[in-house]
Amino acid sequence: RKEVEQDPGPFNVPEGATVAFNCTYSNSASQSFFWYRQDCRKEPKLLMSVYSSGNEDGRFTAQLNRASQYISLLIRDSKLSDSATYLCVVGKAGTASKLTFGTGTRLQVTL
Amino acid sequence: DTGVSQDPRHKITKRGQNVTFRCDPISEHNRLYWYRQTLGQGPEFLTYFQNEAQLEKSRLLSDRFSAERPKGSFSTLEIQRTEQGDSAMYLCASSLSSGEQFFGPGTRLTVL
Repeated sequence: RKEVEQDPGPFNVPEGATVAFNCTYSNSASQSFFWYRQDCRKEPKLLMSVYSSGNEDGRFTAQLNRASQYISLLIRDSKLSDSATYLCVVGKAGTASKLTFGTGTRLQVTL
Repeated sequence: DTGVSQDPRHKITKRGQNVTFRCDPISEHNRLYWYRQTLGQGPEFLTYFQNEAQLEKSRLLSDRFSAERPKGSFSTLEIQRTEQGDSAMYLCASSLSSGEQFFGPGTRLTVL
């Protein structure tokens, strides 16, 4: 079983739609949680950290359920520029530690 | 550009050859990480340094792989006797001790 599991997609959604991605992790000792975005043939970039209380950044909302070891990302009002692969990431301790990535979920937003 | 830089961006080599990649982290970042990414997969952790000390190595890092960060600034990753299975994108990232990891553009290795 992979440490971080995601549905690889692709998710094809029209512009303006709301889309949700889910992720589960197996290591209960994980301490930090993130969503990274990766454009085709580019490096991953941090989209947002994920906290137990849930956090929002504009159109993006992330949630963490430690009991279920489940992480989610909600994107509202999808834009064409949101098309990318979204990587669910967990770390052992703090932000600057070994990161374990999921395989990523590909999102394609269309007109 | 003050981001993480990697050199070369692309490397094509024949099986059995040795290759070396370089990573220059963001200035003053004391942590440096190496990851490997193959098509359709997320990056996989290989190793990381705090200053010049190599603190953790993945089981993915076979004896053919060696990484150094001699002066706590740039790092090199060497692969000896390359195999076709080594073909991947090699990503470097850097961070402060408690900060976000910033990734470089990667070195794409193709082993023929």
